[in-house]
Amino acid sequence: SQKIEQNSEALNIQEGKTATLTCNYTNYSPAYLQWYRQDPGRGPVFLLLIRENEKEKRKERLKVTFDTTLKQSLFHITASQPADSATYLCALRYSSASKIIFGSGTRLSIRP
Amino acid sequence: DTGVSQDPRHKITKRGQNVTFRCDPISEHNRLYWYRQTLGQGPEFLTYFQNEAQLEKSRLLSDRFSAERPKGSFSTLEIQRTEQGDSAMYLCASSSSGEGAHQPQHFGDGTRLSIL
Repeated sequence: SQKIEQNSEALNIQEGKTATLTCNYTNYSPAYLQWYRQDPGRGPVFLLLIRENEKEKRKERLKVTFDTTLKQSLFHITASQPADSATYLCALRYSSASKIIFGSGTRLSIRP
Repeated sequence: DTGVSQDPRHKITKRGQNVTFRCDPISEHNRLYWYRQTLGQGPEFLTYFQNEAQLEKSRLLSDRFSAERPKGSFSTLEIQRTEQGDSAMYLCASSSSGEGAHQPQHFGDGTRLSIL
């Protein structure tokens, strides 16, 4: 079965630095890879989607890369701010009709 | 856009009782999903509706779990004869079926179930 691995340990970053989160998966590549943000006690919030034929996608301070050879996606937050502190979830989807499979998330803390 | 709403936000019940949760999706969304999330884990897929049709169910969804979406609008998730292991956050999400699969899912803030 498909497995998704995200950094299980929390990531602590100094404000203003770039935070980089990793998502690795096994087996075959998904058609779509998504990143979500989740705050304590709240539901996940969609951030970015990247397709298997795309290498990179950007949105404001966010950047996602997708390497189907390495079976890896990287999620970057540039000029990080304390308000970026949250858990970030990687999610895979194989087709328009299939379910989404989530990783366990990486907790990011940005210290002032 | 009032977002996805779930009710109740918290439910505490004794083992063996039945519980029912409600989800009201974003009104123009025809797809509705249920997930379960435990502490330190990502959401686990339970089931998915397109309009009123239940199109996929996870093997996680034992026969004690049932979900309905009778008129293709709101949905209910019922758990019968609750067990300790059912304690979790139950999340609902909705999306449109628009152009391909890249319609993002919009999540509610979940119902937290605690089994005593």
